[in-house]
Amino acid sequence: DAGITQSPRHKVTETGTPVTLRCHQTENHRYMYWYRQDPGHGLRLIHYSYGVKDTDKGEVSDGYSVSRSKTEDFLLTLESATSSQTSVYFCANGEDRSEAFFGQGTRLTVV
Amino acid sequence: KNEVEQSPQNLTAQEGEFITINCSYSVGISALHWLQQHPGGGIVSLFMLSSGKKKHGRLIATINIQEKHSSLHITASHPRDSAVYICAVSRGGAQKLVFGQGTRLTINP
Repeated sequence: DAGITQSPRHKVTETGTPVTLRCHQTENHRYMYWYRQDPGHGLRLIHYSYGVKDTDKGEVSDGYSVSRSKTEDFLLTLESATSSQTSVYFCANGEDRSEAFFGQGTRLTVV
Repeated sequence: KNEVEQSPQNLTAQEGEFITINCSYSVGISALHWLQQHPGGGIVSLFMLSSGKKKHGRLIATINIQEKHSSLHITASHPRDSAVYICAVSRGGAQKLVFGQGTRLTINP
């Protein structure tokens, strides 16, 4: 698991509320990623970071923002949660030419 | 058409059988990854390869760069191998992954 911790592991929230998911790594890996996993779509990249304060959009970034103020923490924020954002969210980290390491996932339900 | 295609989508076999899962991709890549996900569980990296073949225990992964194809083999399969196996490719910088849909493997005792 390469020392990745996601919190919370489960969350139920109401439509329209803000939600922040946290990813914490104990290594100093340069890259961190947020993916979502949905039936029929598999895993898709939301946002990624290539250093402190350096982030970029992925394939499905609409409705999400991220921040990385410290090497070890990568936050994913849903500004106003919608039912389409009900999903399982995975954080991952890695280095150039290295395998990826994934967290245990966060199951988010928006009602 | 997805950039990464896996086959089969579902596979059921008996304990002890030799298992093959295939992955084809349509873009240039820097590496190909095989991942394992148990029901309700996290995702674990099995292999990362950019050429040739790698072996770890009963698992073998091969890649043919010219044909843009990779296979994951499991020898002497066991019920604990039941999981979803995911192929993913990384392209260029930042190691962003593009994933296949996954293959759900069930090994019956």
